[in-house]
Amino acid sequence: KAGVTQTPRYLIKTRGQQVTLSCSPISGHRSVSWYQQTPGQGLQFLFEYFSETQRNKGNFPGRFSGRQFSNSRSEMNVSTLELGDSALYLCASSLDVTGGYYEQYFGPGTRLTVT
Amino acid sequence: KNEVEQSPQNLTAQEGEFITINCSYSVGISALHWLQQHPGGGIVSLFMLSSGKKKHGRLIATINIQEKHSSLHITASHPRDSAVYICAKQGAQKLVFGQGTRLTINP
Repeated sequence: KAGVTQTPRYLIKTRGQQVTLSCSPISGHRSVSWYQQTPGQGLQFLFEYFSETQRNKGNFPGRFSGRQFSNSRSEMNVSTLELGDSALYLCASSLDVTGGYYEQYFGPGTRLTVT
Repeated sequence: KNEVEQSPQNLTAQEGEFITINCSYSVGISALHWLQQHPGGGIVSLFMLSSGKKKHGRLIATINIQEKHSSLHITASHPRDSAVYICAKQGAQKLVFGQGTRLTINP
């Protein structure tokens, strides 16, 4: 099975611009989560989607948004970019196994640099 | 206080040594994850556990639910084990991460 893929892998944007990142989960996985990783804050949860519905959201401003398509692929969008948005953005997919816990499979990440 | 605390933050050891990384969390969980991140950013899930102990090769993870504590052990450490190890607690479809432990194994 192919792993989680993310595109693009690297991106340079200017303050004020917007950006869209894409994540394709492992075939059969319906849950996709997004995370931001920075040197100062570490890994932080952005949001999680399951069957095209956002089920949970982290403490990020409304400039960060996402969506999931019927084929489980997901996109996240950041509008009005700020320097502090420079980070590694990771997505992870999982089977939504009943029982309350499930293993997550991470993509390679998109490294976003805002100048 | 962070919800998930790891110790130590940095650990340097010689090849062959037994390694222990600790993780404490402040509230109840559905599961506890151990992740490995190599330079370049890729993250690999090592273990997911909600009780007891799991073993995979030279890696062992344990959890004590009553004490809200988990440990990751590496036996016969090798330079290729050098990476950042991150524990994360799971609740309500989201993970909350510790700050990570940077492990360096010298030959």
